[in-house]
Amino acid sequence: NAGVTQTPKFRILKIGQSMTLQCTQDMNHNYMYWYRQDPGMGLKLIYYSVGAGITDKGEVPNGYNVSRSTTEDFPLRLELAAPSQTSVYFCASSYSTGANTEAFFGQGTRLTVV
Amino acid sequence: DQQVKQNSPSLSVQEGRISILNCDYTNSMFDYFLWYKKYPAEGPTFLISISSIKDKNEDGRFTVFLNKSAKHLSLHIVPSQPGDSAVYFCAARINNNDMRFGAGTRLTVKP
Repeated sequence: NAGVTQTPKFRILKIGQSMTLQCTQDMNHNYMYWYRQDPGMGLKLIYYSVGAGITDKGEVPNGYNVSRSTTEDFPLRLELAAPSQTSVYFCASSYSTGANTEAFFGQGTRLTVV
Repeated sequence: DQQVKQNSPSLSVQEGRISILNCDYTNSMFDYFLWYKKYPAEGPTFLISISSIKDKNEDGRFTVFLNKSAKHLSLHIVPSQPGDSAVYFCAARINNNDMRFGAGTRLTVKP
């Protein structure tokens, strides 16, 4: 059972370039999330989705876009990459957000913008 | 604003002893608290959680205590094992879709 799979694991981008971080889950989870983790900081929510076709902003959405065309996939798009977007990005999913339902995380994508 | 704080960036304990990881929060609207464990080059994995209406939850060697009046929770690991060495994140949920994380505490358990 693969769980949550993120690609790529590492990427270096030049300022102004764009890229898409891929995330897919095979657990048939309704909810999916994108977080970023900066050095010495906790994870911050960028965007989330409660189901196919539905997305919403989290705590730090600026500079990012998402889409959710299927239950399985939740790609994160960076347009015009900036050094401030250098971070480790984690995708997560959960079956529901009721009490006692934890999120399952992918392995992360380490992005450096130079 | 950092609503969830883990003030100790690191903790070192001897194998077999108790590990106590602490977490403070500022928002009284948090309804659920969770602990995640993270190994290098892996994503966080869920460890244990507690509802805001309870003050203790136990799962094997792991116990989480919640003190609402002090806005403080702690994770106790007894006995600690070398395999417990990891970064531990405290997280608090404010609504169904918004979870705030602390900066993490790196636990090292020495054999």
